[in-house]
Amino acid sequence: QKEVEQNSGPLSVPEGAIASLNCTYSDRGSQSFFWYRQYSGKSPELIMSIYSNGDKEDGRFTAQLNKASQYVSLLIRDSQPSDSATYLCAVLYSNYQLIWGAGTKLIIKP
Amino acid sequence: KAGVTQTPRYLIKTRGQQVTLSCSPISGHRSVSWYQQTPGQGLQFLFEYFSETQRNKGNFPGRFSGRQFSNSRSEMNVSTLELGDSALYLCASSQDSGHQETQYFGPGTRLLVL
Repeated sequence: QKEVEQNSGPLSVPEGAIASLNCTYSDRGSQSFFWYRQYSGKSPELIMSIYSNGDKEDGRFTAQLNKASQYVSLLIRDSQPSDSATYLCAVLYSNYQLIWGAGTKLIIKP
Repeated sequence: KAGVTQTPRYLIKTRGQQVTLSCSPISGHRSVSWYQQTPGQGLQFLFEYFSETQRNKGNFPGRFSGRQFSNSRSEMNVSTLELGDSALYLCASSQDSGHQETQYFGPGTRLLVL
């Protein structure tokens, strides 16, 4: 089992719809969770971090964390073509090592 | 506040050569991590430095090494380059305060080995 798992995609979503990206992790002691966006040929940029169970909203982005089920998700509302990118999930494990998922490629179709 | 900077941005080397990449973290950040990314691959963790000490290391051969200076700037070195070392090398810095470990990435160095 991979330590942090993401569906590689591509995930195709119509413009204006909600894009839902999921990530599962194996370390129950993990406390910090991050979503990054990476455009082709560019470096990853932080979208959101979440530390507590529940939802955290920032503009069109909502991160959801469920520690009991060991998953974290990212919702993108009103998806735009500019949201097309690879989304990386990162989890800070209890040994303080940041573990990365392989990323989900998201395509927003106009 | 200036972001993470990496030099050089692009590099072409031949097999067998060695290369040194440089990373300057965000001011006040004490932790620097290095990653390798190849097309279609996720981020492969190389190593992390904190206060001039290697704190974590990924599963890369000994040809890959690094160091951190007292001003938190970091360098990584790859000796005896192989074709498979062609990749985007990313550096990320974090404040390392508490458990948040938010990492901020530099633009990367794209290395091509011929």
